[in-house]
Amino acid sequence: KAGVTQTPRYLIKTRGQQVTLSCSPISGHRSVSWYQQTPGQGLQFLFEYFSETQRNKGNFPGRFSGRQFSNSRSEMNVSTLELGDSALYLCASSLNRDSSVGEQYFGPGTRLTVT
Amino acid sequence: EDQVTQSPEALRLQEGESSSLNCSYTVSGLRGLFWYRQDPGKGPEFLFTLYSAGEEKEKERLKATLTKKESFLHITAPKPEDSATYLCAPRREDDKIIFGKGTRLHILP
Repeated sequence: KAGVTQTPRYLIKTRGQQVTLSCSPISGHRSVSWYQQTPGQGLQFLFEYFSETQRNKGNFPGRFSGRQFSNSRSEMNVSTLELGDSALYLCASSLNRDSSVGEQYFGPGTRLTVT
Repeated sequence: EDQVTQSPEALRLQEGESSSLNCSYTVSGLRGLFWYRQDPGKGPEFLFTLYSAGEEKEKERLKATLTKKESFLHITAPKPEDSATYLCAPRREDDKIIFGKGTRLHILP
């Protein structure tokens, strides 16, 4: 079974630009979560989608947004990039047998560098 | 406020030297706790889920345990390939998952 895939793997952007990251979950998984990982803050929760609906959101500014499509694929968008947005962005999918978030399986991440 | 503290931050062990990693947590309405392993440049890899105090799970040289305020990851006779960052992640009653900052484990051959 294919794992979680994320594209692109690496990205370099300049301040003020916007970026869209993509995530394809494991086949059959309906929940997709996004995390930001930095050396100082560790893994921080961005948002979680289940059946195209955002179920939970972390404490990030409105510049960070996401969506999920009917095939469970998800995208996240960051507008007006800042230097501090440089991080590894991780996507995780979950099977959600009981409609709650079960164990999550992570993709390899997208390394975003903002210059 | 939710808090997850992992200790120690870093640990160096000789091959075969057993030890334990600690995860202390304060979250509203715990609905399970996850352990992950993360290798440099990769996404976290799922290890265990624990749901209630007293529960234990084992996988090869790893054993995870859970109390009402802490979880431990015991590593028995580790090998160099066990070197990684180990992350603890409690799940809240609203399904948000809060990650600790991890313990960087280095096993010397």
